[in-house]
Amino acid sequence: GAVVSQHPSRVICKSGTSVKIECRSLDFQATTMFWYRQFPKQSLMLMATSNEGSKATYEQGVEKDKFLINHASLTLSTLTVTSAHPEDSSFYICSARDPVGSEKLFFGSGTQLSVL
Amino acid sequence: QKEVEQNSGPLSVPEGAIASLNCTYSDRVSQSFFWYRQYSGKSPELIMSIYSNGDKEDGRFTAQLNKASQYVSLLIRDSQPSDSATYLCAWGTGANSKLTFGKGITLSVRP
Repeated sequence: GAVVSQHPSRVICKSGTSVKIECRSLDFQATTMFWYRQFPKQSLMLMATSNEGSKATYEQGVEKDKFLINHASLTLSTLTVTSAHPEDSSFYICSARDPVGSEKLFFGSGTQLSVL
Repeated sequence: QKEVEQNSGPLSVPEGAIASLNCTYSDRVSQSFFWYRQYSGKSPELIMSIYSNGDKEDGRFTAQLNKASQYVSLLIRDSQPSDSATYLCAWGTGANSKLTFGKGITLSVRP
């Protein structure tokens, strides 16, 4: 299957700082990537759909000014958590759709964000 | 409102048994279904996909889809301790659609 690389895998930061998470498709081009957030013992919640060359589409309730998404190339999407607070502590996972056109998602390894 | 419901679990089975995981959904527009396995602290990995009614087998895994009853199941035969994980069902409504994930069910296989 397609390989999606995500880093860093773990971030610990102070409240008020910004954190950038990178998601790369390694062996294929991804015009669309998805960013999910997962709290402990809960399911994946879609935050936004990242579209190459255009603005991201955010899900209801997700603050676009707080979670900045940039998809500047066909292989890279970034999520920046601005002015992070303890309640932003979560597991953030990016994914890309199967390049052959199915709805299958391939996930990055995830980023565990801890805001002190 | 689109919803995916999963057995809340957790589910515990002895090694070698068949584990049955169920997922129901409320949106009849759904066209494709997926089962993902997620180990603690890791991201989900795709196990099975199923698009039409009936059974689909892949090794020890069998996915079952019943669109009339709006449920999809995952059977794991000869369960192994390494199968202990959280299993997530997900569904989509067609090409380029977003996937919606269920809450997940935690499976524990006792040696």
